Order: sequence, then structure tokens, then C-alpha cells
Amino acid sequence: DGGITQSPKYLFRKEGQNVTLSCEQNLNHDAMYWYRQDPGQGLRLIYYSQIVNDFQKGDIAEGYSVSREKKESFPLTVTSAQKNPTAFYLCASSIMAAGDRYNEQFFGPGTRLTVL
Amino acid sequence: AQKITQTQPGMFVQEKEAVTLDCTYDTSDPSYGLFWYKQPSSGEMIFLIYQGSYDQQNATEGRYSLNFQKARKSANLVISASQLGDSAMYFCAMREALYGGSQGNLIFGKGTKLSVKP
Repeated sequence: DGGITQSPKYLFRKEGQNVTLSCEQNLNHDAMYWYRQDPGQGLRLIYYSQIVNDFQKGDIAEGYSVSREKKESFPLTVTSAQKNPTAFYLCASSIMAAGDRYNEQFFGPGTRLTVL
Repeated sequence: AQKITQTQPGMFVQEKEAVTLDCTYDTSDPSYGLFWYKQPSSGEMIFLIYQGSYDQQNATEGRYSLNFQKARKSANLVISASQLGDSAMYFCAMREALYGGSQGNLIFGKGTKLSVKP
């Protein structure tokens, strides 16, 4: 079955530690995205990548880093510089057709990160 | 200014009745797409329905329909015959053209929590 997997489902981090959230997709999508969701809030874009070996900052990139070495994988590292990292993190992917307004994003199940 | 506004933080509806969730948007791009997603308590985002800015007819998908009023810049989601399983957060989102300011990415509203009463 095609889809997006995220691991782990729950993650606990001590202050000052970096942690990496995994996101893998087998949909052969070019574009991948990372979102952060705080309680009672919508999704905010952290980073996105439209092609392998290239990525762009979203609205709230500070304190986060990503890599895109393979088409299928887009891991997110939450660094110690992120002041308030406790949140729900969602990864998504989509095809990337230039000029196409319809570009449904498929989402993974999410990772809930808690800083202790 | 917010690009996507959902003014109803929470809504209640009786099972089997219809409910409308409001969404207004702001864009100067003539070419854009509007999406609705459902997020159950488990957290995953489920795509419900899409409306393109040039589509002449309102989009429908089963019990979901989108009341698209372009001049008013509104894209309300209508759920007919509500079911208990419809209880969830609902997010409206917009995608402008790739050459727009948002680089073609989705912009989400803050969501509406729908509770269906038996």
C-alpha cells in the first residue's frame, strides 16, 4: 500500500537535545513538507522540498533543519535552538506539477513531540 | 492579514442534520485552489474536497459539498446527514499558483471543531 509513514509516533526529549523525526513516502511524490501543529491551532509550514537535494524554509523554520538526500525521505531535526518544540508534527507529500492549482497533499499520521 | 479565516472555533450539530462550516479567504491571485481537510482525534489529516477558482460548479464528494461564492471569497463546507464519526477538527486551506507569494504551498486556517450529538 502506498502512503506516508512517520516515526516515532510519540517522542520525548530532554531540553538541550537534538531529535530527528522520520518521514518516508512511497508515493513517488516529488514534493515533501513538514508542518507543526499546536493545540487548537492550524498547521504552520516549517520546511518544504520540491526536489531531491533542495529545500526551502517555510514560515517557522528557526530551530529546525531538514535534509532531502532521497526522494522518499525527508527527515526533520528539532534542534536545541527551538525554544518551544513541544507540538504535533505532520509530514506531507504531493506531486509537483508546475502551474497546477490542484495539488492535494497526503499526510502522514504525525509525531507528537514532548520536551521534558 | 490572515489568508484563511475560519470564524467558528467550535460547532455542534445533531446527528442526521446538515451543518455548514465557514471559510473565507484572501488572495489577489486569480488562480487558486481551496481544500478542506478533516482531522480526527487520532491526528491524521484526511482530504475531503477540492474547489478550483475557475470551476463553474460547486464541488461535491458524497455527503460533502463546497458552497463556493467567489465574489464573497468564501468556501463553506456543507456536511449533510451528520454522523457521529464526523466529530473532528475541520481545516480549510488555500493553494495559490506556484508563482504566487506562498510558492504554491498550502495555507491553513485555524480550524473548526465539530461535535455531532446523538
